[in-house]
Amino acid sequence: QQQVKQSPQSLIVQKGGISIINCAYENTAFDYFPWYQQFTGKGPALLIAIRPDVSEKKEGRFTISFNKSAKQFSLHIMDSQPGDSATYFCAASKNSGYSTLTFGKGTMLLVSP
Amino acid sequence: DSGVTQTPKHLITATGQRVTLRCSPRSGDLSVYWYQQSLDQGLQFLIQYYNGEERAKGNILERFSAQQFPDLHSELNLSSLELGDSALYFCASSVEIGYGYTFGSGTRLTVV
Repeated sequence: QQQVKQSPQSLIVQKGGISIINCAYENTAFDYFPWYQQFTGKGPALLIAIRPDVSEKKEGRFTISFNKSAKQFSLHIMDSQPGDSATYFCAASKNSGYSTLTFGKGTMLLVSP
Repeated sequence: DSGVTQTPKHLITATGQRVTLRCSPRSGDLSVYWYQQSLDQGLQFLIQYYNGEERAKGNILERFSAQQFPDLHSELNLSSLELGDSALYFCASSVEIGYGYTFGSGTRLTVV
């Protein structure tokens, strides 16, 4: 059972464009939603995270939008750069983050110069 | 350097063999998690330890086992290896359970 569904599988965006990755979850007990960024040959690294008491969180060019009623959350990368080319994973956990993370299957982002 | 150390980085072994993957968590982190990453399955949670005790199990095969030692390093043992076990195996650590995972660079296992 896949508890966190992520789309698209891959994404090509031109430099300067907006990259949008979407995730949907099933378990209403989830209350911590991080995004991880993974470069080739490296482990995933925490990028940004949100809790359901807010609908949006912004850190630099990265924004998480959260829709609790729809059980969906998304990552927006503004002014996408070639250096943003990586695989992005959404994840979710329960108990305000104090339980194991369930990951989506990942999105391979390629930002063309 | 994330502070989580995994060894070896690469491992090539034959079917039926047994291997041990090692993880040293970030200093001060008590919780260790093992994940398997394959192209079609993404990051699959295998098992979690907290301060030496098993806390959660995911999709871990019976052929696989793990432990966390008193110095908090962890080992993942994979036995009777099959071609399908070829994957990247990641270890992550955190101070508390679940929150703020830090991943290592992974061990790439190839079973031939």
